[in-house]
Amino acid sequence: GQQLNQSPQSMFIQEGEDVSMNCTSSSIFNTWLWYKQDPGEGPVLLIALYKAGELTSNGRLTAQFGITRKDSFLNISASIPSDVGIYFCAGFNYGGSQGNLIFGKGTKLSVKP
Amino acid sequence: EAGVAQSPRYKIIEKRQSVAFWCNPISGHATLYWYQQILGQGPKLLIQFQNNGVVDDSQLPKDRFSAERLKGVDSTLKIQPAKLEDSAVYLCASSPRGDFFGYTFGSGTRLTVV
Repeated sequence: GQQLNQSPQSMFIQEGEDVSMNCTSSSIFNTWLWYKQDPGEGPVLLIALYKAGELTSNGRLTAQFGITRKDSFLNISASIPSDVGIYFCAGFNYGGSQGNLIFGKGTKLSVKP
Repeated sequence: EAGVAQSPRYKIIEKRQSVAFWCNPISGHATLYWYQQILGQGPKLLIQFQNNGVVDDSQLPKDRFSAERLKGVDSTLKIQPAKLEDSAVYLCASSPRGDFFGYTFGSGTRLTVV
């Protein structure tokens, strides 16, 4: 089946530093998504990318949809303590009435004040 | 707008027992999904409903897992009998039409099988 390889597995950084994580796939996706999950909660969407090569920002977050449609990266600038959590990439292909998210294994981010 | 509601939040059972989880999607959302999230991994789809019909259950272990959405609104996921490896968070999600827009997750039910 489809698999997403997400790296790094975990990061421990100082407040104010920039963060970069990426995701690669063996398959092509039409949409790439980045989610954040806090303990005891479901994933919450951060950024959605719909077009190969697209670069999209949401506040301090920037994400890009790779040209090959098999990869994506997420950058967080000037990290703050509330950025702590697990970040997941997800690929999405929609056909007919069927579509589901294929998730990576996540990047656990810890921020030291 | 109310979110996706799930209950219970936590459940601890012994192996070979049965358990059921309930999900109430966002009002008007035609598509409902159940995901399994094992500790340290991303969520994995178990089953997708469109209204009260099953669209995709290819990854549902049908010998022990079952799910229904009888009236096209709320849904129940059941495990019978449970195994130790079923310990996970079970997430419900819904979307208006089955595509990506408006796709929303609930907070999940954490199941521990001992």
